[in-house]
Amino acid sequence: RKEVEQDPGPFNVPEGATVAFNCTYSNSASQSFFWYRQDCRKEPKLLMSVYSSGNEDGRFTAQLNRASQYISLLIRDSKLSDSATYLCVVKTGGFKTIFGAGTRLFVKA
Amino acid sequence: ETGVTQSPTHLIKTRGQQVTLRCSSQSGHNTVSWYQQALGQGPQFIFQYYREEENGRGNFPPRFSGLQFPNYSSELNVNALELDDSALYLCASSPRGAGTSTDTQYFGPGTRLTVL
Repeated sequence: RKEVEQDPGPFNVPEGATVAFNCTYSNSASQSFFWYRQDCRKEPKLLMSVYSSGNEDGRFTAQLNRASQYISLLIRDSKLSDSATYLCVVKTGGFKTIFGAGTRLFVKA
Repeated sequence: ETGVTQSPTHLIKTRGQQVTLRCSSQSGHNTVSWYQQALGQGPQFIFQYYREEENGRGNFPPRFSGLQFPNYSSELNVNALELDDSALYLCASSPRGAGTSTDTQYFGPGTRLTVL
């Protein structure tokens, strides 16, 4: 079993749609959680950190459920510019950072 | 932009050769991590350097080695290249010390290595 697993995708949605990404992690000792965005042939960029209380940044909402070892990202009112790969990232203390394989999102006009 | 640069942008090598990839971190960032990203996969952690010492390593063989220098630059060296080493190699720097699990990483644009 992979340490971090994401929906395989790709997701194809129309502009204005709401889309949800799911991620599970296997190590209950994991301490920090993030969502990164990666555009085609570019480096990953931090989208948002994920906290147990949930956090929101404009159209983006991230949730963490430690009991279920589950992380989610919700994008409301999708824009064409949201088309990218979304990477779930888990840090288990110190140096160890584990990326999921990513879920590709295509937003179409 | 993140202020993290990498060189070269692209590189083609043949099997069995050695390669050195370079990264220049933001000033003051004393932690650098290296990742390998194969096509269609997420980045895989290779190792991390903190204050010029390796302080953590992923599941990569010893032919993957690195160095970090006092001027916030670092290197990734790969010996005896194999076809499966073809990937995007990313470095990421962090402003705080190793062991800070909430530390944000700032990625460079990567070096795309092709092994023929």
